[in-house]
Amino acid sequence: NAGVTQTPKFQVLKTGQSMTLQCAQDMNHNSMYWYRQDPGMGLRLIYYSASEGTTDKGEVPNGYNVSRLNKREFSLRLESAAPSQTSVYFCASGDRGQFGYTFGSGTRLTVV
Amino acid sequence: RKEVEQDPGPFNVPEGATVAFNCTYSNSASQSFFWYRQDCRKEPKLLMSVYSSGNEDGRFTAQLNRASQYISLLIRDSKLSDSATYLCVVEYGNKLVFGAGTILRVKS
Repeated sequence: NAGVTQTPKFQVLKTGQSMTLQCAQDMNHNSMYWYRQDPGMGLRLIYYSASEGTTDKGEVPNGYNVSRLNKREFSLRLESAAPSQTSVYFCASGDRGQFGYTFGSGTRLTVV
Repeated sequence: RKEVEQDPGPFNVPEGATVAFNCTYSNSASQSFFWYRQDCRKEPKLLMSVYSSGNEDGRFTAQLNRASQYISLLIRDSKLSDSATYLCVVEYGNKLVFGAGTILRVKS
């Protein structure tokens, strides 16, 4: 059972380049999320999708776009990468309630 | 004010000690509550959900006080393997909001 799969695991970009982070879950969850984690700041929500066909901004959406391709897949796109976007990005999926959410193993992105 | 606040620590404790972490949240409409554990450079993993009646899972006990908007985690008989960052997490609407985490270091 794969759970939540993120690709790539590592990426180095030059300022101004674009890229898409991929996320897929096989748990039939309705909701999917993208977080970034910076040292000393905890996880901050970038965008989320409560169900297939819907997306909403989180706490730090500027510089990012998302696509909920289908129930399984939720991608995060950086159109013009900036050094401030250097971070670890986590995708998660889950449904409301007491069962919590499952995270992918993360993408470590460096923008130089 | 942060939506979810935790003491960042670190808490340095010897093996076998009992340690308690506290967390407060600001949104009274919060619906579900969790403790997650995160090891260095790894993804957060669900440790336990937190219920108003309190709940226990082995050496771990979680408590929720909705009136005070306060959540706690108690770890008894600490093991070296308990060393990690413990994240307090609150759900409202369709979002999970994370505290910045409390670092625990258990030493032999």
